[in-house]
Amino acid sequence: NAGVMQNPRHLVRRRGQEARLRCSPMKGHSHVYWYRQLPEEGLKFMVYLQKENIIDESGMPKERFSAEFPKEGPSILRIQQVVRGDSAAYFCASSRARGLTKGVPSYNSPLHFGNGTRLTVT
Amino acid sequence: DAKTTQPNSMESNEEEPVHLPCNHSTISGTDYIHWYRQLPSQGPEYVIHGLTSNVNNRMASLAIAEDRKSSTLILHRATLRDAAVYYCILRSPSLSGNTPLVFGKGTRLSVIA
Repeated sequence: NAGVMQNPRHLVRRRGQEARLRCSPMKGHSHVYWYRQLPEEGLKFMVYLQKENIIDESGMPKERFSAEFPKEGPSILRIQQVVRGDSAAYFCASSRARGLTKGVPSYNSPLHFGNGTRLTVT
Repeated sequence: DAKTTQPNSMESNEEEPVHLPCNHSTISGTDYIHWYRQLPSQGPEYVIHGLTSNVNNRMASLAIAEDRKSSTLILHRATLRDAAVYYCILRSPSLSGNTPLVFGKGTRLSVIA
């Protein structure tokens, strides 16, 4: 079973360029979450998506950041006009869809994380 | 989400058991207790979760206090590969079913050979 796949693993962009980070969830998972980890800091939730829907974007910066999870293909986190402060590790996670799994409410489905994309803005 | 409190760091000798504590005095009746860990240069990894009863799996055990205001993650025999930051997280139900995890600072576990 392939885990959550993120690419690229490392991404270097100059200030003002666009960064596109891709995340393919685990097979059978239709929920995707994006997190950001600044150097020497904790993981911060950014956005939670289901196929073609944004469920919770309370952690997304108001400008320059967007996320999508189309019906077909990977989830994309897009950062426009990157600045040095965007340099961080970006992690994607996936989980099963809502519902009961063996009697357990789905909000307890574990999140499976990828190994992240490390963005460096020069 | 309710808050958790964990020690910043802990140290253990290899091959010995490790008890990682977590306080969550404001836990609500429907909150599950989740543990994740993050090894260096990797994404977080699910360890275990529980509601009221103690839980065991191949990675660890979770001991939950009777009043649910604290819990302990137990690694039965620490190895060098267990050196990581361990996060204790409360997960609340929502109308949409799944809820994102809210990570605190966790406990950085060092394992000494």
